[in-house]
Amino acid sequence: AQSVTQLDSHVSVSEGTPVLLRCNYSSSYSPSLFWYVQHPNKGLQLLLKYTSAATLVKGINGFEAEFKKSETSFHLTKPSAHMSDAAEYFCVVSDFNAGGTSYGKLTFGQGTILTVHP
Amino acid sequence: DTEVTQTPKHLVMGMTNKKSLKCEQHMGHRAMYWYKQKAKKPPELMFVYSYEKLSINESVPSRFSPECPNSSLLNLHLHALQPEDSALYLCASSRRTSGVYNEQFFGPGTRLTVL
Repeated sequence: AQSVTQLDSHVSVSEGTPVLLRCNYSSSYSPSLFWYVQHPNKGLQLLLKYTSAATLVKGINGFEAEFKKSETSFHLTKPSAHMSDAAEYFCVVSDFNAGGTSYGKLTFGQGTILTVHP
Repeated sequence: DTEVTQTPKHLVMGMTNKKSLKCEQHMGHRAMYWYKQKAKKPPELMFVYSYEKLSINESVPSRFSPECPNSSLLNLHLHALQPEDSALYLCASSRRTSGVYNEQFFGPGTRLTVL
């Protein structure tokens, strides 16, 4: 079984300051982990993914995340927030490394809403 | 072409209507997914098609009927829906490589309102 916990339901930052969105996961297998972003009334866009290669993963729009197995964490960071970063962010774990008939099922965290103030 | 398209963007229907949602991708992905997303919640998986065969049905009511006519197209037929079925319906697709399903790419969604 797998699960994802996003530790903050809301994060508020000022434009130009760092962003930290926290995510802890639980997985019976070597997990694949993702961060997706969703702007209001839009679909989900893949920001970055971890699939057992480098533990520091760089994504689009200046975001990056570090996989820490000992802490079962996959926190998302960005050095300097931009107004356009305001959105909801989902941390997601997949069991597609588990083999069998998982069909790439995703387990979503509850989401973190990021607000960016001018 | 690296996108998943969905039509219509918005749909309003009565409880006795029959309508369909359409999803299309031309990335050669052989897995396609339907999700339902209620406000302020993460997406919930409804159906998975793998190589045009229904592989997962997450106990979805029969008033939702999926169809995968070919490897690029996924439909969701709607009949006798309830107001609580109002939601954003998302389609996604993924590539399968050496038996492993890779990351999913999502469409923009259809905003469904049931009156």
